[in-house]
Amino acid sequence: GENVEQHPSTLSVQEGDSAVIKCTYSDSASNYFPWYKQELGKRPQLIIDIRSNVGEKKDQRIAVTLNKTAKHFSLHITETQPEDSAVYFCAASGTSGGSYIPTFGRGTSLIVHP
Amino acid sequence: DAGVTQSPTHLIKTRGQHVTLRCSPISGHKSVSWYQQVLGQGPQFIFQYYEKEERGRGNFPDRFSARQFPNYSSELNVNALLLGDSALYLCASRNRGYGDEQFFGPGTRLTVL
Repeated sequence: GENVEQHPSTLSVQEGDSAVIKCTYSDSASNYFPWYKQELGKRPQLIIDIRSNVGEKKDQRIAVTLNKTAKHFSLHITETQPEDSAVYFCAASGTSGGSYIPTFGRGTSLIVHP
Repeated sequence: DAGVTQSPTHLIKTRGQHVTLRCSPISGHKSVSWYQQVLGQGPQFIFQYYEKEERGRGNFPDRFSARQFPNYSSELNVNALLLGDSALYLCASRNRGYGDEQFFGPGTRLTVL
C-alpha cells in the first residue's frame, strides 16, 4: 500500500517568513495530492490540492509543487501570519474503481511567532 | 447550507462495549468516508461508501463495520472496544466517488476506559 512521509514534524517561523513542508510517497499510481490545515480542536480543511498532470499550483500565499519522478510534493506558505499556525497534513491517493483511499502524512505543526 | 454533521460529539465507553457513530453528508453528496485520527497523527482511512456500496476498506479489524443508508447518511460501528480505539473519528463527504473535494465533519471524540 501507499506510504507517505512528512517532514518536518514541527516548524517554527517568524511572522513574514516563508514555510516549506515536504512529503514523499511510495506508490507511483497515486495521482491526487491534497493538503489540509487542522486547527486545534477543529476538523481538517482542504487548503490546496494538486493532480499528477500538473507540476505546480498557487493560491495567493500558498503553493504546492509536485515531482512525480522523485515522488515528492511540497507545500509553500509565503508571508506567514500568526493565523497560519496549525497542523498541516499532506495526503496521497490514487483511484481504483471509483474509490478514493487517501494516505495521510503524520502532520507538521507550524508555529508562526508574531 | 449545512456542512457534514456527526453525532455524538463525545462518547465515553468501557472496554468490550459496542459503539455506533453517525454521519450526515452535505446535501447532494453521495460518497461518505470514515477516518480514525489518533492524537498527534494524521487521519487513517477506515471505509468509503459511494451510492450505498462499499468502495474501499482500510487496514482495520473486522470489529469495525459501516453502512450507508438510502439518504446517504452513514453509520460506523465498532464492536468489542479496546483502549486503542480511543481517537477522533472523522466522517467526510464528497459529491462523487473520486475527483471532488472532500469535506470533513467535526468528528466524534471516542474515549475507551
